[in-house]
Amino acid sequence: QVQLQESGPDLVEPSGTLSLTCAVSGASISSPNWWTWVRQSPGEGLEWLGEISNSESINYNPSLRSRIIISVDKFENHFSLELNSVTAADTAVYYCARMPGWGEGIPVAGGYFDYWGQGVLVTVSS
Amino acid sequence: QSALTQPRSVSGSPGQSVTISCTGTSNDVGSYNYVSWYQQHPGNAPKLIIYDVSTRPSGVADRFSGSKSGNTASLTISGLRTEDEADYYCSSYAGSYTYVFGTGTKVT
Repeated sequence: QVQLQESGPDLVEPSGTLSLTCAVSGASISSPNWWTWVRQSPGEGLEWLGEISNSESINYNPSLRSRIIISVDKFENHFSLELNSVTAADTAVYYCARMPGWGEGIPVAGGYFDYWGQGVLVTVSS
Repeated sequence: QSALTQPRSVSGSPGQSVTISCTGTSNDVGSYNYVSWYQQHPGNAPKLIIYDVSTRPSGVADRFSGSKSGNTASLTISGLRTEDEADYYCSSYAGSYTYVFGTGTKVT
């Protein structure tokens, strides 16, 4: 059973950097998958932030491309999110999720998110 | 990249059927069969209930079904149960290696 667990500071100052890690268990982060970040602002809907594959191909939401970095640590079997220059609008529950993939090299994406972390609320405030 | 449009809420009585629409454009829902649906209970993470427009993952009740016509995808819940009361979100591949979610629908 694949499990994902987010961790990181729950409070970030405005203009600072939001940093989160998603620990993966029950699967190797080196297996053909796309490891994804999604957020949900309080009382709002879901927003896809970006993804990284096992082969370290990366795709970002165009609206965040100038502020976001997603990386993977194959030794620790986790992947990470950095979001720079945060404002109150970045206050949200941040989820990590898996999109299944297959194939060698850049994996073909399954197009859906089958495993999710429990989410972590990050508040941007001074 | 705009969010897919869903009704804010739908309601039904136990045993009835409800259908949730998810309207996109020819750049997302209309062009790809990578439409998925998620159920989210308050305080919980989303749960995958439909993928590839109409495929149910193992363990998901067959009361949940999905379809698509043109730029609009739909989720139907048949034989509504009290535990189906939740928020539902659609998602679609939007081209250029990006994904978009719907605005969400509260089922009561």
